[in-house]
Amino acid sequence: GAGVSQSPSNKVTEKGKDVELRCDPISGHTALYWYRQSLGQGLEFLIYFQGNSAPDKSGLPSDRFSAERTGGSVSTLTIQRTQQEDSAVYLCASFRSEQMNTEAFFGQGTRLTVV
Amino acid sequence: RKEVEQDPGPFNVPEGATVAFNCTYSNSASQSFFWYRQDCRKEPKLLMSVYSSGNEDGRFTAQLNRASQYISLLIRDSKLSDSATYLCVVKPRSWGKLQFGAGTQVVVTP
Repeated sequence: GAGVSQSPSNKVTEKGKDVELRCDPISGHTALYWYRQSLGQGLEFLIYFQGNSAPDKSGLPSDRFSAERTGGSVSTLTIQRTQQEDSAVYLCASFRSEQMNTEAFFGQGTRLTVV
Repeated sequence: RKEVEQDPGPFNVPEGATVAFNCTYSNSASQSFFWYRQDCRKEPKLLMSVYSSGNEDGRFTAQLNRASQYISLLIRDSKLSDSATYLCVVKPRSWGKLQFGAGTQVVVTP
């Protein structure tokens, strides 16, 4: 597809379960972000992948969160032993970081609800 | 101090009026600046880039003040459809990560 694709669009999980969220960025985009957004709040940075460089994980809130980006394309965000405070919309964005005024494109997000 | 700060609002604006708001950034090495728009329960989308000399896109005008490290967005002749949260985005260098502000909410009323 032409845009950033995220799956699933909605996920309801029980507290303590693990979840995996997927992001398919736009082909050729070297940079990929994960953010999360709680209801009525701003974007909270989680992790940033840039080409083959080591990812910037400084935003991950705990060691229950991890992310991978395989082959410089698809990324998965994994949350282990989910807690209710993990409930949020998880947004993925990609862009061509080598260009100066480059637009970041967002996926429609995964709405995670932990019950 | 946050790297990018915005007044959260809400800015309540009568239809047809003009509204303006700023965004301050802390990294003086920032090179690229953007305004994104986010509608309720939707993903952010690019509204406009901000250029050094300032730029217009229809009813929207963006300005950059490097000396004081802020960017601004002005909306003229506000429409009901302009109601949204406006996110300020700053990029420090060619390979740097984007820094998002928390957003300014604008509510245009009839």
